[in-house]
Amino acid sequence: EVQLVESGGGLVQPGGSLRLSCVGSGFTFSSYWMTWVRQAPGKGPEWLANIKQDGSEENYVDSVRGRFTITRDNAKNSVFLQMNSVRAEDTAVYYCASGRYWTSDSWGQGTLVTVSS
Amino acid sequence: EIVLTQSPGTLSLSPGERATLSCRASQIISNNYLAWYQQKPGQAPRLLIDDASRRATGIPDRFSGSGSGTDFTLTISRLEPEDFAVYYCQQCATSPLTFGGGTKVEIK
Repeated sequence: EVQLVESGGGLVQPGGSLRLSCVGSGFTFSSYWMTWVRQAPGKGPEWLANIKQDGSEENYVDSVRGRFTITRDNAKNSVFLQMNSVRAEDTAVYYCASGRYWTSDSWGQGTLVTVSS
Repeated sequence: EIVLTQSPGTLSLSPGERATLSCRASQIISNNYLAWYQQKPGQAPRLLIDDASRRATGIPDRFSGSGSGTDFTLTISRLEPEDFAVYYCQQCATSPLTFGGGTKVEIK
């Protein structure tokens, strides 16, 4: 069974940094694209970034490009989202997802990030 | 970026009825890389359909997807109680990937 478990969420002040982690199990992690998606309270999902199986390609939405960085460690079946210069509008539940290509086949349960002073 | 417009915003139906959800794109989605997700309160989205018409693993055959180019449809042939939820389309062809605004299917 595919399982994705996010961690690292919490309360962070505006302008601060946070690093989210996601560990995958039950599938060949290194064969899958990994993606981060967020969902603000009461809103629809927003795709943020994805990273290729070998880490050689990354894509970002404009709203986080230059502030957020996606990385992965296939030896640890993990994907990360480094969040810098966070803003109030970054408050959301953050999900990691996996897929053979760019579709998000499987999702984690999410981790809540709250940006507030 | 590709903008996806879903309609209607809310669909009020009874169990056993047919649901037809629309997703229209602002430009052609190459290779029909269009996915549909179901989301229930407090849960992550769940993939239902990818490549516009291919059901994901374990998805009942009452769910079907169709369409091409810029116009796509998700059909639920006979609504079961567990199908009342919010449905999102997502284009997976061009970065940045984008989601539609969602259609809520509620019990009438």
